[in-house]
Amino acid sequence: NAGVMQNPRHLVRRRGQEARLRCSPMKGHSHVYWYRQLPEEGLKFMVYLQKENIIDESGMPKERFSAEFPKEGPSILRIQQVVRGDSAAYFCASSPLSGSNEQFFGPGTRLTVL
Amino acid sequence: QQQVKQSPQSLIVQKGGISIINCAYENTAFDYFPWYQQFPGKGPALLIAIRPDVSEKKEGRFTISFNKSAKQFSLHIMDSQPGDSATYFCAAGSGNTGKLIFGQGTTLQVKP
Repeated sequence: NAGVMQNPRHLVRRRGQEARLRCSPMKGHSHVYWYRQLPEEGLKFMVYLQKENIIDESGMPKERFSAEFPKEGPSILRIQQVVRGDSAAYFCASSPLSGSNEQFFGPGTRLTVL
Repeated sequence: QQQVKQSPQSLIVQKGGISIINCAYENTAFDYFPWYQQFPGKGPALLIAIRPDVSEKKEGRFTISFNKSAKQFSLHIMDSQPGDSATYFCAAGSGNTGKLIFGQGTTLQVKP
């Protein structure tokens, strides 16, 4: 019974490049959440998606960041024109129910912007 | 109003001792309070969670105490072991939104 899968685990980008982070939820889970963790800090909510819908994007920066969860395939968090301040660990969590707070996290993608 | 404040920032406990981590919240709409354990380089793992209709929940060596009137909740780790050394995060959520608001984290070190 595989848990939440994220790839890549580590990603290095130069300033101005694009970063694509992928998340496959647990089997049977159709709700995905993205969180960002800066060094020595807690996790900050970014976006909540269901299949083909963005439910809550109140934590997403207004520019350069976007997220999707297509009918088929993993959820994608996309960061365009990365800057050094985007360096962080990005975690995806999934849950089985609508509005369920019981969330199971993946291992994260550690993004480093040079 | 969306904040969750966690203390202490770091904690050192002797093996066999009790580790206590505290959290406070402001938003009375929160109705779900989980604790997560995170090891370096790993994702947070759900440890135990409580809803406000009970004042205490125990799972093995881990206990959550919840004080609704004070808007505070705490994690107690009994008989702490070196393997418990990790960062612990409290969080709060509302069933309306699904998202979790996390505390700042507590780094626990259990000395053998």
